[in-house]
Amino acid sequence: EAQVTQNPRYLITVTGKKLTVTCSQNMNHEYMSWYRQDPGLGLRQIYYSMNVEVTDKGDVPEGYKVSRKEKRNFPLILESPSPNQTSLYFCASSLSVSSYEQYFGPGTRLTVT
Amino acid sequence: GQQVMQIPQYQHVQEGEDFTTYCNSSTTLSNIQWYKQRPGGHPVFLIQLVKSGEVKKQKRLTFQFGEAKKNSSLHITATQTTDVGTYFCAGPASGAGSYQLTFGKGTKLSVIP
Repeated sequence: EAQVTQNPRYLITVTGKKLTVTCSQNMNHEYMSWYRQDPGLGLRQIYYSMNVEVTDKGDVPEGYKVSRKEKRNFPLILESPSPNQTSLYFCASSLSVSSYEQYFGPGTRLTVT
Repeated sequence: GQQVMQIPQYQHVQEGEDFTTYCNSSTTLSNIQWYKQRPGGHPVFLIQLVKSGEVKKQKRLTFQFGEAKKNSSLHITATQTTDVGTYFCAGPASGAGSYQLTFGKGTKLSVIP
């Protein structure tokens, strides 16, 4: 089954404790992206990747890191989480840069205390 | 940077009434996509419009892309309770290297049976 998976689905952590949210897709998609969703603010793009080893900043990259060492995986790293990073995070992928039909993962709800 | 505005933010309709959400971009879009997010779910791709003035239909849903490629609309005829959710538009800016995707804040649709 074609899908985007994220782990963990729920995470409660404390300020400053490094964490990684994994994202994996099995559709051989080139384009992958991370979003955060906050009430009243919609979906905001954090980082995106056009292919292996090619990443770029979205609208709200501060406090986040990403890497794309393999085509299928695109982890989101929070080196020193803060409470303002409490949010619902979605990973998404699409076939290519020019094909913007994105498939979203189920989401990761992160709480930073 | 690019801004994508969506109105209204909320819409409550009686089942059977029509519904329209509007999307306006501050910059010309190379294409626009529409997504639906059910409560508690993840965004699901509905459609992509590419050509100026394009109109596409999916059963009771009609999508339009403006002549100037800066605005779009989604119209639902005779809403049903299954239409409940938040509808988002999204678009990349035109021009070389525009791989960043900006979402509108969404229109939350409630349907009263």
